[in-house]
Amino acid sequence: GDSVTQMEGPVTLSEEAFLTINCTYTATGYPSLFWYVQYPGEGLQLLLKATKADDKGSNKGFEATYRKETTSFHLEKGSVQVSDSAVYFCALSEETSGSRLTFGEGTQLTVNP
Amino acid sequence: DAGVTQSPTHLIKTRGQQVTLRCSPKSGHDTVSWYQQALGQGPQFIFQYYEEEERQRGNFPDRFSGHQYPNYSSELNVNALLLGDSALYLCASSKDMGIGELFFGEGSRLTVL
Repeated sequence: GDSVTQMEGPVTLSEEAFLTINCTYTATGYPSLFWYVQYPGEGLQLLLKATKADDKGSNKGFEATYRKETTSFHLEKGSVQVSDSAVYFCALSEETSGSRLTFGEGTQLTVNP
Repeated sequence: DAGVTQSPTHLIKTRGQQVTLRCSPKSGHDTVSWYQQALGQGPQFIFQYYEEEERQRGNFPDRFSGHQYPNYSSELNVNALLLGDSALYLCASSKDMGIGELFFGEGSRLTVL
């Protein structure tokens, strides 16, 4: 079955540091890939997405590129802020799965001033 | 424009009891999905409702059931509660069973004692 594996966390960085959160996936077809973010006390929010190989999703300074050859969708940001502290989830959806998302376990990011 | 609203926000039950959680989707959305998020884990798909019918189901026992009303709101029912059912239950809405963007509520935190 489908699965998503995220780098083991948590991750602690200083403000303005470079961020990478690794995500790899296993899927039978050609999934769409997503990063969701969960701020403390809030619901999950879509951060970015990519629907086909080599697509790059971007939002709020975050980027991720859909790499079919390595089955990866790593999240990056060049300079993190304290306000980026949250839990980040990588997820996929198969073509025929509609709103059925398979999530990774999440990575807790803490950014210190 | 109200987003996805869930109720109650927190509740405590004892083993063997039954619980009903409620969800109102974002305005203009007609599809509701439910997810279970155990502490420190990623959300797991329970089921999806569209046109008042269950369209997809994840790997959850029959103790988990749902309903969708003509106004698109939805309920999640869990019978014969187990300690392992303690989790955050998330509702997500979308349009036409699509994956365009899922909007999540803040969740209902269920504790089973």
